[in-house]
Amino acid sequence: ILNVEQSPQSLHVQEGDSTNFTCSFPSSNFYALHWYRWETAKSPEALFVMTLNGDEKKKGRISATLNTKEGYSYLYIKGSQPEDSATYLCAFKSDTDKLIFGTGTRLQVFP
Amino acid sequence: EPEVTQTPSHQVTQMGQEVILRCVPISNHLYFYWYRQILGQKVEFLVSFYNNEISEKSEIFDDQFSVERPDGSNFTLKIRSTKLEDSAMYFCASSDRGLWNTEAFFGQGTRLTVV
Repeated sequence: ILNVEQSPQSLHVQEGDSTNFTCSFPSSNFYALHWYRWETAKSPEALFVMTLNGDEKKKGRISATLNTKEGYSYLYIKGSQPEDSATYLCAFKSDTDKLIFGTGTRLQVFP
Repeated sequence: EPEVTQTPSHQVTQMGQEVILRCVPISNHLYFYWYRQILGQKVEFLVSFYNNEISEKSEIFDDQFSVERPDGSNFTLKIRSTKLEDSAMYFCASSDRGLWNTEAFFGQGTRLTVV
């Protein structure tokens, strides 16, 4: 059974703090690792799709790294803002059509 | 900006009834998916659909479930005889290519409550 784990489950930070979360996934049969941002009552929205070991991606204050050999990815948020409050989901893709999701990290940023 | 739309946003149904959840994927997308999240659990894959047929389905997607793309725009999920354990948020998603190098675009979900 393929398992994807995320930590921490939830995180409360002050505005301006930088933060990071971890996604662990199977290190074999890797095709892609997706990160999504999911705000309450909205659609999950893609942040990154990562495919290459050692890849780093950046979108504004958010960046992600990927290590496929050891099966982990980190998501970093620099200078958190209240609007960053959301659940951050990672999803692993192997050679099948489906995405296997982690439990998510729920981030709350307090002003 | 193009988006995936789902209707209804909420559906309450009695156990044993049939429900149809509707989705309009992004118009030039070729791959379509249904996922669900039972409260407190992970988002889980139900089915993928490509070239007018199911390309993959999970163990959850048994004979009670079916999908259809009846015209060029809609993508529906039917549950024939709902059970209490079918209560969940159901998400439709679409992509223009396979998910090995591109993201899935998700709808806002339909919250299904079976009573």
